[in-house]
This record gives sequence, structure tokens and C-alpha cells, in this order.
Amino acid sequence: GAVVSQHPSRVICKSGTSVKIECRSLDFQATTMFWYRQFPKQSLMLMATSNEGSKATYEQGVEKDKFLINHASLTLSTLTVTSAHPEDSSFYICSASLTGVNQPQHFGDGTRLSIL
Amino acid sequence: RKEVEQDPGPFNVPEGATVAFNCTYSNSASQSFFWYRQDCRKEPKLLMSVYSSGNEDGRFTAQLNRASQYISLLIRDSKLSDSATYLCVVNFSGTYKYIFGTGTRLKVLA
Repeated sequence: GAVVSQHPSRVICKSGTSVKIECRSLDFQATTMFWYRQFPKQSLMLMATSNEGSKATYEQGVEKDKFLINHASLTLSTLTVTSAHPEDSSFYICSASLTGVNQPQHFGDGTRLSIL
Repeated sequence: RKEVEQDPGPFNVPEGATVAFNCTYSNSASQSFFWYRQDCRKEPKLLMSVYSSGNEDGRFTAQLNRASQYISLLIRDSKLSDSATYLCVVNFSGTYKYIFGTGTRLKVLA
């Protein structure tokens, strides 16, 4: 159980393009999902917490107008990188956990975004 | 001080060796602890949760020391396939926020 699917796995596009990434919990409902970004040889950095039916909570330094998050259902959260630029190139990963304390995070496969 | 700290390594060990990593955390209210494994250019995968009494899963043993605020991971009889980055993850009490360490890189050599 607790399978998280992320799509697409790889995106290469031109500067100025907006890119949407989907994160789905396949066999459980997730009221909360997380979006991370990881640059080469660095740790995962939490960008935002996605809450079903309400606004996402963004970490300090993350522009909410740049990284739009929508969590419209209990199994789907989307991250849209608007007007992407080369510095947005990174590995974006979502995660979710089962409800309850001490539950580990389960990660999607990640999306490798390259902006030319 | 970082919230979660790990020695980045790399730890280069021969096949069959025993290797241990530590991870320190700064928030004494931390509630849940996990070890994840991340292979190059892949997503992290849960290796094991860390319980207060310590726990073992095959060749892997995890320990928690609340007094000194660290967790450890011991790998016995290292395999080539154990080569990866091991991430320490801490969850703060009363929140859904998970803090990741920078990871410890392990290379098991033939």
C-alpha cells in the first residue's frame, strides 16, 4: 500500500513555458501532500505543503505565484511551475503519507525538469 | 545549527564490511524518525522507521538516542547494492513537516 505516482518523469522545455506536474496517491487518500525540490548533490528541500480543499502552505523563500499548487481531490495534487526559467531546472518530488502519527512519507518517482 | 545533520561521506567500505552512520537532530520535540535510501537521480525510498527501542530489519539496525538527540543506522555484511545515499528524516511533534538531512553517501567496493 501507500503508492504515490508522479507524472511526467521528465520534462524538457523552453524558457517561459509553464509546466504542470501531477502527484497521485494510488491506493489511499491523502489530505496532505508535500512538494520538494532537489538540486544536484543537495538534500531535498520542502517547497510547500499541499492541503486538500484549501490553500497550500509555502516554505520561506518559495514564491507562491511562481509555484502554483492545487489539491482538488484526496488523491491528486498538482504543481505548476509558471513561466519556467533555467534556474528552475531541478528534480521535483512529491510525497504523501497515510493518516496518523509516525507515518513515513512515500515518494513519487520524481520529475526531472530541464529548462533550456 | 542545522535541524538535521549528517556526515556527507562518502564512506567507502569493502564488501562484507559493517558500516554505521549517525544523524543528529536539534529539536527535542521531534517525534518520528526514518531512514531513507536514495539512489542517484531517483526518488527516496523508505528503508526503515526508527523506534525508541531500536529495531532491526535483516542486515540493517536502527537506533534512537533521545538523550543525545541522534539516530543511527548500522549495515552489516555490506553488499555492492547497498551503495546509495542514506537520508535521515525527522518529523516534528504535532506537525506534518518532515526535515531531511543532506544524506550520507555509501560506496561498497568489490
